[in-house]
Amino acid sequence: DADVTQTPRNRITKTGKRIMLECSQTKGHDRMYWYRQDPGLGLRLIYYSFDVKDINKGEISDGYSVSRQAQAKFSLSLESAIPNQTALYFCATSPGLAINEQFFGPGTRLTVL
Amino acid sequence: EDKVVQSPLSLVVHEGDTVTLNCSYEVTNFRSLLWYKQEKKAPTFLFMLTSSGIEKKSGRLSSILDKKELFSILNITATQTGDSAVYLCAVPPGNQFYFGTGTSLTVIP
Repeated sequence: DADVTQTPRNRITKTGKRIMLECSQTKGHDRMYWYRQDPGLGLRLIYYSFDVKDINKGEISDGYSVSRQAQAKFSLSLESAIPNQTALYFCATSPGLAINEQFFGPGTRLTVL
Repeated sequence: EDKVVQSPLSLVVHEGDTVTLNCSYEVTNFRSLLWYKQEKKAPTFLFMLTSSGIEKKSGRLSSILDKKELFSILNITATQTGDSAVYLCAVPPGNQFYFGTGTSLTVIP
């Protein structure tokens, strides 16, 4: 079984709809991250969380919100989707205390029409 | 503003060639630099570098960091078609990770 899972893997939606992307991990890591990837722009951090009570904005948080329901679950919401939020979204985890490698989920491809 | 820049943006080589990928950075509080490989799916970890001048190796891949000149290189010797991927570098100056835009490597048989 994959250590970091994301659902859905693909989603097409319309402008103005509310969308939730979910991430679950079995690695027991405290730190979880949401990124989006756009062609030519690399990976950009949306939000990150170091534990259930800790939520932090990343580089591009506008238009997004998150919820850390448990150590193992971190959800990303688009309250009112717009076309320029069409992207590949990745969830990642890492162990706490020190800077370590990140482990990425398989990604969710979101298309907003 | 923290910044990570990779070059070249793309590279096409023949099997057996040696390639060098570059990552330069400008960050306010450098602690480490990480390299990832992305093959049409999630990035996978290759190396983490924290000390200048110490080479990390894994098979045909190696990487070194120069903290004085603020860059790292990733070398791949005797390239194979399976090395075709986007190679990303990332720098976490604090709690956030800043990624470069990546170098797309294509290895032709």
